[in-house]
Amino acid sequence: AQKITQTQPGMFVQEKEAVTLDCTYDTSDPSYGLFWYKQPSSGEMIFLIYQGSYDQQNATEGRYSLNFQKARKSANLVISASQLGDSAMYFCAMRGNYNTDKLIFGTGTRLQVFP
Amino acid sequence: EPEVTQTPSHQVTQMGQEVILRCVPISNHLYFYWYRQILGQKVEFLVSFYNNEISEKSEIFDDQFSVERPDGSNFTLKIRSTKLEDSAMYFCASIQTGTSGSIPQETQYFGPGTRLLVL
Repeated sequence: AQKITQTQPGMFVQEKEAVTLDCTYDTSDPSYGLFWYKQPSSGEMIFLIYQGSYDQQNATEGRYSLNFQKARKSANLVISASQLGDSAMYFCAMRGNYNTDKLIFGTGTRLQVFP
Repeated sequence: EPEVTQTPSHQVTQMGQEVILRCVPISNHLYFYWYRQILGQKVEFLVSFYNNEISEKSEIFDDQFSVERPDGSNFTLKIRSTKLEDSAMYFCASIQTGTSGSIPQETQYFGPGTRLLVL
């Protein structure tokens, strides 16, 4: 069965510093997609970045990059130059195999950015 | 930029009452989803919907739940007889295309959610 694990319930980072949020996954499917979403205190789910299992390069979107290590089954999110507005819950999610579109989410990491 | 919208943003209901949560997916999207997030917990898949029928549902999506696309724009989730444990944030999501033997790079875009409280 597919599974996403986020082992960091909370992280602190100082403004302007970089931070890495960990995500490991488990799947037997050869093709899958990995996503990161941000959930601020207002509750909405905001898509940040996507990585396909066959993508040769790590995904980047502005200050967000995904450190994809396929052999280790990890897909860590790196936020560079943290801003106070980055304080939120961050969820890693996976979509797998040919027969399903559903996303499986991790338990999330709460990031607090301090001045 | 087009976005998924949901109404109402908050709903309070009595146990046993029926609720309908509404979603307007992005206009050219064809695949629709409902997820829920119990307070403090992770997001859980409920159901996916394509071509006017359910394509997949989770164990949570029992006979008390139903989905409908009554017209070309709305996508609804109905809970027939709410229970206390149905209290959660409910998210609608949509994508333009679904799986077709490969993993497309289209992403599920989520609406802002409806916070349901069952008393």
